[in-house]
Amino acid sequence: AQTVTQSQPEMSVQEAETVTLSCTYDTSENNYYLFWYKQPPSRQMILVIRQEAYKQQNATENRFSVNFQKAAKSFSLKISDSQLGDTAMYFCAFMKPFGNEKLTFGTGTRLTIIP
Amino acid sequence: DAGVIQSPRHEVTEMGQEVTLRCKPISGHDYLFWYRQTMMRGLELLIYFNNNVPIDDSGMPEDRFSAKMPNASFSTLKIQPSEPRDSAVYFCASSPDLQETQYFGPGTRLLVL
Repeated sequence: AQTVTQSQPEMSVQEAETVTLSCTYDTSENNYYLFWYKQPPSRQMILVIRQEAYKQQNATENRFSVNFQKAAKSFSLKISDSQLGDTAMYFCAFMKPFGNEKLTFGTGTRLTIIP
Repeated sequence: DAGVIQSPRHEVTEMGQEVTLRCKPISGHDYLFWYRQTMMRGLELLIYFNNNVPIDDSGMPEDRFSAKMPNASFSTLKIQPSEPRDSAVYFCASSPDLQETQYFGPGTRLLVL
């Protein structure tokens, strides 16, 4: 079974600074998908970024980028120029593409952006 | 598109009552998922459907929980009878395919007294 580990329960950073959230996972699969979801106080789950394991290039979405290290099974999220609206829970998630597909979530990191 | 729609957004009920949660997936999405989020267990997949057919319900906690998808645009998750330990946020999500991103609804916050 796949497991996803987020070792930072809480983080805080000053507005406009850069912050990196860590995520590691355990799988024997070679092909899979990784996601970062954001859950603000409204409780909505919002997709931040997605990475296919077969792609070597790290995914980026505006101020959000990932550092995907397949051999190390690491998938960290970098938020540049952090904004107050980035305050939220961030969940790392894993999905294998074939077979019993389920999104496996980490326990989340609570990120607070300090004005 | 309006995104995934869930109702109600909040539900407070008494132990023993029947609770029905509703979901409208994004049009054109063939897959629909029900998740439960609690502090103790995090996000758990309860069940998912493909083209209205339940594929995997291994995450459904017990017989008190049931889910249906009578058509492509509507699904329900029912708890009967409800218990205080069912208190959680229940999310519905949909995706066009299993390899595609799942889009979540706003969730239903359920409190069973």
